[in-house]
Amino acid sequence: QVQLVESGGGVVQPGRSLRLSCAASRFTFSSYGMHWVRQAPGKGLEWVAVIWYDGSKKYYADSVKGRFTISRDNSKNTLYLQMNSLRAEDTAVYYCARDMAEYSAYMDVWGKGTTVTVSS
Amino acid sequence: QSVLTQPPSASGTPGQKVTISCSGSSSNIGSNIVNWYRLLPGTAPKLLIYSNNQRPSGVPDRFSGSRSGTSASLAISGLQSEDEADYYCAAWDDSLNVVVFGGGTKLTVL
Repeated sequence: QVQLVESGGGVVQPGRSLRLSCAASRFTFSSYGMHWVRQAPGKGLEWVAVIWYDGSKKYYADSVKGRFTISRDNSKNTLYLQMNSLRAEDTAVYYCARDMAEYSAYMDVWGKGTTVTVSS
Repeated sequence: QSVLTQPPSASGTPGQKVTISCSGSSSNIGSNIVNWYRLLPGTAPKLLIYSNNQRPSGVPDRFSGSRSGTSASLAISGLQSEDEADYYCAAWDDSLNVVVFGGGTKLTVL
């Protein structure tokens, strides 16, 4: 069945960088937009970013704009999230999710998440 | 403070019907589809309702969604103990150009 697997999480010091990956399988990755969504400890879901199927459009939450970059490599069926200038408040489980319709928040398949901890 | 407003908690007894509300504005719920997700501790979010009132295959018909104006709701009938979870509404916001989530509602089955 359709699968998304995140990786790249870990413990990182404030101000440092980290790159998350999301490997997609068993569907035509290049035909779908993709999202990153996170959940901080004890908090609710927070949307992070979306990228169009062809990478032509990208949108970000204000909380990460200018620090995070979403990208994709359709030849490798992989989604990325480059996170720079990390802060303690970026500590969260990060999920990637498949977008089913542009401008819709309709995410039908989710990965199991990767944990990012920002701490000195 | 979430853009979409949900009650922080809801509860019901087995077999009852529970409704969770989600209030937004003309730039999100009022002009875009609403989707509902369930989150269990330690697991990936699961899509429950998409496009206001559509159920993905595999989601029981005990779950239903509706939208009216700038508000939406998720109804769960025939409540079961395994329905205990956190529920989130989400929509695209045309003014902010972002996805907005509700703050989540923790459902307790008494």
